[in-house]
Amino acid sequence: RKEVEQDPGPFNVPEGATVAFNCTYSNSASQSFFWYRQDCRKEPKLLMSVYSSGNEDGRFTAQLNRASQYISLLIRDSKLSDSATYLCVVNFSGTYKYIFGTGTRLKVLA
Amino acid sequence: EPEVTQTPSHQVTQMGQEVILRCVPISNHLYFYWYRQILGQKVEFLVSFYNNEISEKSEIFDDQFSVERPDGSNFTLKIRSTKLEDSAMYFCASSENQETQYFGPGTRLLVL
Repeated sequence: RKEVEQDPGPFNVPEGATVAFNCTYSNSASQSFFWYRQDCRKEPKLLMSVYSSGNEDGRFTAQLNRASQYISLLIRDSKLSDSATYLCVVNFSGTYKYIFGTGTRLKVLA
Repeated sequence: EPEVTQTPSHQVTQMGQEVILRCVPISNHLYFYWYRQILGQKVEFLVSFYNNEISEKSEIFDDQFSVERPDGSNFTLKIRSTKLEDSAMYFCASSENQETQYFGPGTRLLVL
């Protein structure tokens, strides 16, 4: 099983739709979780950290399910500008190592 | 807003040559990282650096690679003898508290 796994997509959704991505991780000792956004040929940019209690930032909601070892990202009322690749990142407890998933491509269509 | 900068933005080199990729992390950050991303593939962790020493490195970070913080502001990645498969985008990142990492714009390395 891969350390961090994501559905590569692409997810093609119309403007205004709600879309959700999941990411599974293999190491139960994982400590920190993040969603990053990467535009084509650009650097990853932090979208949000994922906390045990779940967190929301505007149209974006992230949740963590430790029992099932996955994190999710929900985007409501999607905009054309949300089109990007969404990267799941996991840090394993006691390490300085951050593992990236392959990313999920989202295309929001007009 | 402070940001991580990297130079050069593009580097073309011949196989076997040495390259040095440079990064200036955000000034009050203590943790520094290098990642690479081969075209069309995922971002891969190379190395983390804290308190003037390597704190962790991946299997990719073999003896051909080294990192240095020569002057308290720059953070460099050296590849001693480049191979064709080293062609990738190299990202530097820094973090204040080992949580949120801020990435630089990357250096695109092409080995011919």
